[in-house]
Amino acid sequence: QKEVEQDPGPLSVPEGAIVSLNCTYSNSAFQYFMWYRQYSRKGPELLMYTYSSGNKEDGRFTAQVDKSSKYISLFIRDSQPSDSATYLCAMSAQGGSEKLVFGKGTKLTVNP
Amino acid sequence: NAGVMQNPRHLVRRRGQEARLRCSPMKGHSHVYWYRQLPEEGLKFMVYLQKENIIDESGMPKERFSAEFPKEGPSILRIQQVVRGDSAAYFCASSPQGLVEQYFGPGTRLTVT
Repeated sequence: QKEVEQDPGPLSVPEGAIVSLNCTYSNSAFQYFMWYRQYSRKGPELLMYTYSSGNKEDGRFTAQVDKSSKYISLFIRDSQPSDSATYLCAMSAQGGSEKLVFGKGTKLTVNP
Repeated sequence: NAGVMQNPRHLVRRRGQEARLRCSPMKGHSHVYWYRQLPEEGLKFMVYLQKENIIDESGMPKERFSAEFPKEGPSILRIQQVVRGDSAAYFCASSPQGLVEQYFGPGTRLTVT
């Protein structure tokens, strides 16, 4: 079993839709959870960062962590064509500087 | 504040040649990480360095790959005697000391012919 599982999609939605992106993980030591957005042939861009369980909101983006289920989600409200990208979840066990373990990424297309 | 810088952006090498990839972290960041991204794969950790120290190289292939982050200058990822399987996008990330968030550069796309 891989440490982090993420459905690669592709996921295609109409503009204005609510998008739900998810990852599951097996390592119960993970406590720090991040979502990155990667446009084609670009570097990953940090979107959201959460610690432990709970929700965090930033504009149209909401990150949720359910440690009991080892499940994390990213919701995008009022999706825009500019949100079309690959979304990567990433995790680490310790605070401070440590390697991140990534999911494979979900490719999202928002159609105008 | 400039972001993480990587060069070259594209690198073509013939089998058996050496590849050198450079990374300058964000200003004020003292920690550097290298990741590799193969087609249809996620980012895989390779090595974590601080100035003049390798902290974690658990993701580095045992042979042909090495990394350094000297006191002065950029971090270097060096691949000796490249093979076609080394073709990938190599990303560098940096973070401030004590923080878990990592900020990525634009990557170097290595093609081995």
